[in-house]
Amino acid sequence: DGGITQSPKYLFRKEGQNVTLSCEQNLNHDAMYWYRQDPGQGLRLIYYSQIVNDFQKGDIAEGYSVSREKKESFPLTVTSAQKNPTAFYLCASSKSTGTVSYEQYFGPGTRLTVT
Amino acid sequence: ELKVEQNPLFLSMQEGKNYTIYCNYSTTSDRLYWYRQDPGKSLESLFVLLSNGAVKQEGRLMASLDTKARLSTLHITAAVHDLSATYFCAVVYTGTASKLTFGTGTRLQVTL
Repeated sequence: DGGITQSPKYLFRKEGQNVTLSCEQNLNHDAMYWYRQDPGQGLRLIYYSQIVNDFQKGDIAEGYSVSREKKESFPLTVTSAQKNPTAFYLCASSKSTGTVSYEQYFGPGTRLTVT
Repeated sequence: ELKVEQNPLFLSMQEGKNYTIYCNYSTTSDRLYWYRQDPGKSLESLFVLLSNGAVKQEGRLMASLDTKARLSTLHITAAVHDLSATYFCAVVYTGTASKLTFGTGTRLQVTL
């Protein structure tokens, strides 16, 4: 089955520790995205990548880092510099031809709790 | 600033009733999506609306788009309990490729 997987589903960390969230897709999509969702709010874009070895900051990139070494994978690192890291993190992917918009498909999400 | 506003933020309705959720956006858009999210779950795509006057229907849900008014509506007909969820609209603004800007969501609670 084609799809997007995120792991783990739940993640607990102590304040001051970096943590990496996994996102893998086998849809052969070029573009991948990371969103953050806080309770009672919509999704906000953290980073996105339209091609391997290239990525751009979204609206709330501070305190986060990403890499895109493989087409299938787009891991997100939440660093200790992120002031309020506790949130629900969603990864998505889509076809991409640069300026043309295609539908995004979302993974199941990772709920990160930092205490 | 690219903004997407939904209202109401919370909607409690009885089974069998009709209601409409509104989504306003701030500038020209290439397309607009409606998503459903159940508690603790990911997003499920409901509709994509591409052009002015577009109307899509699936079961008890119907979405429409008025690009001149920068307004989309999600109409619920004869609500049932299974429709209880949070509904988001999301806009791809012209010139931003596939970047989605989300509304704050409307939490729908259908009571028996």
